[in-house]
Amino acid sequence: AQSVTQPDIHITVSEGASLELRCNYSYGATPYLFWYVQSPGQGLQLLLKYFSGDTLVQGIKGFEAEFKRSQSSFNLRKPSVHWSDAAEYFCAGGDNNNDMRFGAGTRLTVKP
Amino acid sequence: NAGVTQTPKFRVLKTGQSMTLLCAQDMNHEYMYWYRQDPGMGLRLIHYSVGEGTTAKGEVPDGYNVSRLKKQNFLLGLESAAPSQTSVYFCASSYTGRNTGELFFGEGSRLTVL
Repeated sequence: AQSVTQPDIHITVSEGASLELRCNYSYGATPYLFWYVQSPGQGLQLLLKYFSGDTLVQGIKGFEAEFKRSQSSFNLRKPSVHWSDAAEYFCAGGDNNNDMRFGAGTRLTVKP
Repeated sequence: NAGVTQTPKFRVLKTGQSMTLLCAQDMNHEYMYWYRQDPGMGLRLIHYSVGEGTTAKGEVPDGYNVSRLKKQNFLLGLESAAPSQTSVYFCASSYTGRNTGELFFGEGSRLTVL
């Protein structure tokens, strides 16, 4: 069955440091991949998505993600983290059968 | 522009009671969804709708019912609440299917079943 795995439950980084959140997927064909962010007490907001084409995609709030088929990964990156980036991040994957699954999420803490 | 609005935001029920969560969207989206969010499990799809008058089961439909009588509204019902249904419930809508399109989420409804 299709699935999305986020290996890291919780990550702590210092403000100004770089960030990489990991996401692995198991889909047969090229999946549709997404990253969503959830601030405390809020719903989820789309950061970026990948369907095809350029494997490096840019999103909102300075985030980017790279699709690597050989590694079945779609990791989220940000060069310099701000305190306001503290949130929970969800990777999600969809296929042509109208299925879509979310990962379990990675909680990001930003140290001053 | 309100987007997706869920009511109520908080509710406490006793085992066996019933309740309905209401979701309203003002973006004229065809697709609407109900998810539940539990710690360490991400979001799981309960039921969804691809248009007015349609509903379909998601990953975890047992114990829930839904209705989409109007395009802008999607109701989630619990006929006989159980403690296992304690969760945060999110409604979402999208212009295209969830596998390809952006989901717009409400702020969530926290339900506790005692």
